[in-house]
Amino acid sequence: DQQVKQNSPSLSVQEGRISILNCDYTNSMFDYFLWYKKYPAEGPTFLISISSIKDKNEDGRFTVFLNKSAKHLSLHIVPSQPGDSAVYFCAASALTSGTYKYIFGTGTRLKVLA
Amino acid sequence: DSGVTQTPKHLITATGQRVTLRCSPRSGDLSVYWYQQSLDQGLQFLIQYYNGEERAKGNILERFSAQQFPDLHSELNLSSLELGDSALYFCASSVVSGDEQFFGPGTRLTVL
Repeated sequence: DQQVKQNSPSLSVQEGRISILNCDYTNSMFDYFLWYKKYPAEGPTFLISISSIKDKNEDGRFTVFLNKSAKHLSLHIVPSQPGDSAVYFCAASALTSGTYKYIFGTGTRLKVLA
Repeated sequence: DSGVTQTPKHLITATGQRVTLRCSPRSGDLSVYWYQQSLDQGLQFLIQYYNGEERAKGNILERFSAQQFPDLHSELNLSSLELGDSALYFCASSVVSGDEQFFGPGTRLTVL
């Protein structure tokens, strides 16, 4: 049972345009959401997060939106740059048995075309 | 560089064998997490340790075990290896449970 889903395995966007990566979740107990970026041959690196008490968090070119009623979050990258080409994972966490467990999606491969 | 180190980078072994993957967390981080990433799969959480004690278990097989040592480094032991165990194994660390996790570069395990 995939509690965190990234239904688009890949996305291609022109340089300078907006990239929108989507993530859906099923567990209403998730209260903290994160996006990680992964380049080939490297481990994932933290990008941006959002708590369930907010609906938007912005950090430079990256904005994460959270729609709790739809159990949906999205990552917007504006403007997209070729260096943004990577695999993006969304993750959700909930306090379970006294500790936080992170559930990751399967990732979306973003390709930004120059 | 996240500050998390993993060794070895690559490991090729045969079915039925046993291997040990090693992880050194960032300085000051008490929590260590192990994840498995198979082809076209997301990161599957395996197990978490906090200051030497097991904190949470995910989809970890009984053939797999882990431990965190007093110096906070961690080892993931995989035994009776099967072809399907071929994957990238990532270690991550955080200061405390629930904090943002910093990932190591991973160990690519190939079981032939």
